Amino acid sequence: DGGITQSPKYLFRKEGQNVTLSCEQNLNHDAMYWYRQDPGQGLRLIYYSQIVNDFQKGDIAEGYSVSREKKESFPLTVTSAQKNPTAFYLCASSTYLGADTQYFGPGTRLTVL
Amino acid sequence: GENVGLHLPTLSVQEGDNSIINCAYSNSASDYFIWYKQESGKGPQFIIDIRSNMDKRQGQRVTVLLNKTVKHLSLQIAATQPGDSAVYFCAENISEYGNKLVFGAGTILRVKS
Repeated sequence: DGGITQSPKYLFRKEGQNVTLSCEQNLNHDAMYWYRQDPGQGLRLIYYSQIVNDFQKGDIAEGYSVSREKKESFPLTVTSAQKNPTAFYLCASSTYLGADTQYFGPGTRLTVL
Repeated sequence: GENVGLHLPTLSVQEGDNSIINCAYSNSASDYFIWYKQESGKGPQFIIDIRSNMDKRQGQRVTVLLNKTVKHLSLQIAATQPGDSAVYFCAENISEYGNKLVFGAGTILRVKS
């Protein structure tokens, strides 16, 4: 059963804590992405990775970090430096970076207590 | 996410009618467009895509029209069903933007039975 999985579905964080969101894909896609979704707004790109061991900042990378040690995995860490982290986080992947369909995971809802 | 529809435009249609959802895109250099459907609390689901060398593309019950002259994209859903109720948003690939997708905020589609 191919696809993109994200975990956990819901995550609660205390102020000052770092948390890591998991994203795994078995679609053999080279490119992976992290987006943030807030009410009434379009998806905003946090980080993206075109290939293993390479990643680039998106439009709102401050307060976030990523790694891409394996092709199938692209975890996102929300650090304490992110001032307003409560949001819905979406991971996506595509065969390559560019004019190609991105397929999304089910999302992680992060709430700061 | 759960509140992704806040402040978004809404289209209400009767079950069985056709729906037309519109999207104005920003960049005349955009070369690839995608329509996604997002249900509350879930990740976006790919519906249909179109490249800039085409004006129209049809899928199962859906048609995408591209008017490059006025930078307008539309999604037509035939015989709308209650299961079509969701937020729909378009995305454009802008090669000048490093070949990354830019997403619109979306339109809420409500199907009345």
